Amino acid sequence: DGGITQSPKYLFRKEGQNVTLSCEQNLNHDAMYWYRQDPGQGLRLIYYSQIVNDFQKGDIAEGYSVSREKKESFPLTVTSAQKNPTAFYLCASKTGTENTEAFFGQGTRLTVV
Amino acid sequence: GIQVEQSPPDLILQEGANSTLRCNFSDSVNNLQWFHQNPWGQLINLFYIPSGTKQNGRLSATTVATERYSLLYISSSQTTDSGVYFCAARVGGSRLTFGEGTQLTVNP
Repeated sequence: DGGITQSPKYLFRKEGQNVTLSCEQNLNHDAMYWYRQDPGQGLRLIYYSQIVNDFQKGDIAEGYSVSREKKESFPLTVTSAQKNPTAFYLCASKTGTENTEAFFGQGTRLTVV
Repeated sequence: GIQVEQSPPDLILQEGANSTLRCNFSDSVNNLQWFHQNPWGQLINLFYIPSGTKQNGRLSATTVATERYSLLYISSSQTTDSGVYFCAARVGGSRLTFGEGTQLTVNP
C-alpha cells in the first residue's frame, strides 16, 4: 500500500539521550516535513526538505536534526539539546509542485522519562 | 510568514446539528487544506481547496481566496465527527502553516 510510515508509534527516552524518529514514504513525493504538536495546540514546523540532500529549518528547529539521503526517507533526531522533547511528532510529504496536497503519517508519541 | 486563525476554538453540538468552522488567513494562498485529527492523533485529509467549493458526503468546504477565508460545513453531525479540525495554508512554495484548530464535541 502507498503511504507514509512513521515508527515507532510510542517512544520513551531518558533525559540526555538522543533518539531518532523514522519517516518513510513510498508515494514518490519530493517534499517531506516534520511537525511537532503539543497537547491542545496546532502543529509547528521543525524541518522540511524539498529535494534529496537538501533541507531547511522550520520555526522550531533548535535541538533537532534531520537528514535526507534518500527520497523516501526523512529521519528526525531529537537531541539532548532539545529542552522539552515530550510531544507528538508528525511527518508529512507532498509532490514537489506547489499546488498539491500534503499527506501525514500516523505520528510518533515521544515521552522523556 | 502567513498567519492562520481558526474559530471557534471549541464547539459542542448535539447529534444531528449542523455547524460551520471558519479559517482566516493573512495572505493570498495557493494551498488550503482541512484536516480532521482523530482520537489517535492521525491527521485525516478532508479537503484540498485553495478556492471554490467542494462537497464530500455530509461535509463541504468553501474557500474565498480574495477575501482570505475558508469555511468547513458539517451537516447532520454524528458522534464520530468529534475531534479536532485543522486548516492549513501555504503561500507559494513555502511551508504549510496550521491554525490552532477547532475542538468539536458531538454529544449523543
